[in-house]
Amino acid sequence: DTGVSQNPRHKITKRGQNVTFRCDPISEHNRLYWYRQTLGQGPEFLTYFQNEAQLEKSRLLSDRFSAERPKGSFSTLEIQRTEQGDSAMYLCASSVMGSNQPQHFGDGTRLSIL
Amino acid sequence: AQSVTQPDIHITVSEGASLELRCNYSYGATPYLFWYVQSPGQGLQLLLKYFSGDTLVQGIKGFEAEFKRSQSSFNLRKPSVHWSDAAEYFCAVGLKTSYDKVIFGPGTSLSVIP
Repeated sequence: DTGVSQNPRHKITKRGQNVTFRCDPISEHNRLYWYRQTLGQGPEFLTYFQNEAQLEKSRLLSDRFSAERPKGSFSTLEIQRTEQGDSAMYLCASSVMGSNQPQHFGDGTRLSIL
Repeated sequence: AQSVTQPDIHITVSEGASLELRCNYSYGATPYLFWYVQSPGQGLQLLLKYFSGDTLVQGIKGFEAEFKRSQSSFNLRKPSVHWSDAAEYFCAVGLKTSYDKVIFGPGTSLSVIP
């Protein structure tokens, strides 16, 4: 169990640019979640994958956001035409199937929009 | 709607003192309950979880939590706080939906005075 890995740890970009984050879940976990966390707040759910299928998306996930999980392994979260309000920590979590299974979190990618 | 509240935004305790962090939830059924801890710049680490059975659950790092159905509460406790416990603490509710949605509270920031 090497844990959930997220890259990059930090991303600084200019407003209007596109950014892509990567998440490598724990290998045997078939569920993968993306969250956004702003300062002083708890994580807010963005989207969820079961294997390669994206089964749920939050209303927070505007059409500038897209997530993929090809082959049910790693996942990417892309933000197009970034805005100041996109500045946040983006957390990835994974879990095994089962409604009582806890989610294991990566250390997140901190996005700063100049 | 489901929600999680953590009434204390920030708590300061002296090292060696006891600690109690409050958590209340709003949900129509008995939820799954979690406490996570987050150190600065890090992801969330699971401290403990409640699914069913004994309402007093033990976790890592000497933490425990008690589920009280009548009060819709799941307070976190530790008998003697160490300086390394300074961090952000999040209570979370797991809902029994199709994708096991987890809702996080806003967090309580803990400072420890040496």
